[in-house]
Amino acid sequence: GENVEQHPSTLSVQEGDSAVIKCTYSDSASNYFPWYKQELGKGPQLIIDIRSNVGEKKDQRIAVTLNKTAKHFSLHITETQPEDSAVYFCAASIYGQNFVFGPGTRLSVLP
Amino acid sequence: GAVVSQHPSRVICKSGTSVKIECRSLDFQATTMFWYRQFPKQSLMLMATSNEGSKATYEQGVEKDKFLINHASLTLSTLTVTSAHPEDSSFYICSARGPGQGANTEAFFGQGTRLTVV
Repeated sequence: GENVEQHPSTLSVQEGDSAVIKCTYSDSASNYFPWYKQELGKGPQLIIDIRSNVGEKKDQRIAVTLNKTAKHFSLHITETQPEDSAVYFCAASIYGQNFVFGPGTRLSVLP
Repeated sequence: GAVVSQHPSRVICKSGTSVKIECRSLDFQATTMFWYRQFPKQSLMLMATSNEGSKATYEQGVEKDKFLINHASLTLSTLTVTSAHPEDSSFYICSARGPGQGANTEAFFGQGTRLTVV
C-alpha cells in the first residue's frame, strides 16, 4: 500500500522567511496530493492541492511542486506570518480515495 | 471550499455508554465519507470509508461492531462508539468528498470531535 513520509517533523522560521515542507510517496498510481493545515483542537483545512498532470501550483503565498518521477512533492510558504503556525499534513490519494497522510510538520513562525 | 459540519465538538461520556458523532456536508452531496482517529501529536489514521447507501469499509484492526458507521443520506454520516472505554478517548474527524473522479477529488474535513471516556 501507499506510504507517505514527511520532513521535517518540526520547523521554526522567522516571520517573513520562507518555509518548505517535503513529502515522498511510494505508490506511483497516486495522482492527487492535497496539503492540509491543522490548528490546535480543529479539523484539517485544505490549503492547496495538486494533481499528477501538473508540476506546480501557486495560490498567493502558498505553492506546491510535484516531481512524479522522484515521487515527491513539496509545500512552499513565502513571507510567513505568525498565523501560519500550525501542523501541516501532506497526503497522497488515487482519485480521491484512500487518502494516506504524512506524519505532519509542526511549523512555528517566530515574530 | 465546501463545508463539512461535525457535531458535537466535545463529548464526555461514562465508560460503557455509547456516543454518536454526526458529520454533515452542508453545501454538497457527499457520496463518500471518511472517518479518522487522531491521537495527540500524531497523524490521522483512517478508520473506515463509507459510501452512501452501502456498508462501510473498515481498515484493518478497526472493530466494526464497536465503531458503527451509518451513511444513510448524501449529506449525513454518523459514527457511534459503542460501549466506550477510556482507551477510546481520542480526536475523531470526518471528511467528505463529492461524486465523481478527476475534477472532484477534494476531501473536506469536519471540525473534529474530542471524545473523553471517564
